[in-house]
Amino acid sequence: EDQVTQSPEALRLQEGESSSLNCSYTVSGLRGLFWYRQDPGKGPEFLFTLYSAGEEKEKERLKATLTKKESFLHITAPKPEDSATYLCAVQGTGNTGKLIFGQGTTLQVKP
Amino acid sequence: DTGVSQDPRHKITKRGQNVTFRCDPISEHNRLYWYRQTLGQGPEFLTYFQNEAQLEKSRLLSDRFSAERPKGSFSTLEIQRTEQGDSAMYLCANFPRNTIYFGEGSWLTVV
Repeated sequence: EDQVTQSPEALRLQEGESSSLNCSYTVSGLRGLFWYRQDPGKGPEFLFTLYSAGEEKEKERLKATLTKKESFLHITAPKPEDSATYLCAVQGTGNTGKLIFGQGTTLQVKP
Repeated sequence: DTGVSQDPRHKITKRGQNVTFRCDPISEHNRLYWYRQTLGQGPEFLTYFQNEAQLEKSRLLSDRFSAERPKGSFSTLEIQRTEQGDSAMYLCANFPRNTIYFGEGSWLTVV
């Protein structure tokens, strides 16, 4: 059964303090690994898709990387506006496009 | 051309009542998904449509839940005889360019 585990559940950083969020996954054939950002009371906002081990994607202060077992979301010099819940999801083989999500990491960046 | 519009954004209902949520894709795409998200958890897949055909349903979708997508455009999700355990955010999503884009969600509180 496809499964996604994110750690830590919550992370508090000072503004400018870089860190990484982890997403471990087991899936029967990975078609894609997705990262989303979710603000309180809103739907998830798409950030990145990674398709194969070794791939990296960047957007502003965020960089996502992928290995055969896990993905990392690196946050460099975060700002308070980066505070949100970050969700990781995998899409397995099959043609449904269905995503299996982890429980998320809630990031708080203090000024 | 991504995302969907959901209505209502918030619904408070008494246990035992029926509720219906509507999802309107911003642009036409073949696939449409419904997910459910409870506090502190990632979204969970409920069902998806390819045009007007409902192709997969999660075991989370009990017989009190029914989803439709007439004419392959907007979709509705109805919950009959609501229970307190149905309290959650119900997310709709479409699938342009092999990526799932979510709406802002419909919050349901069953009292």
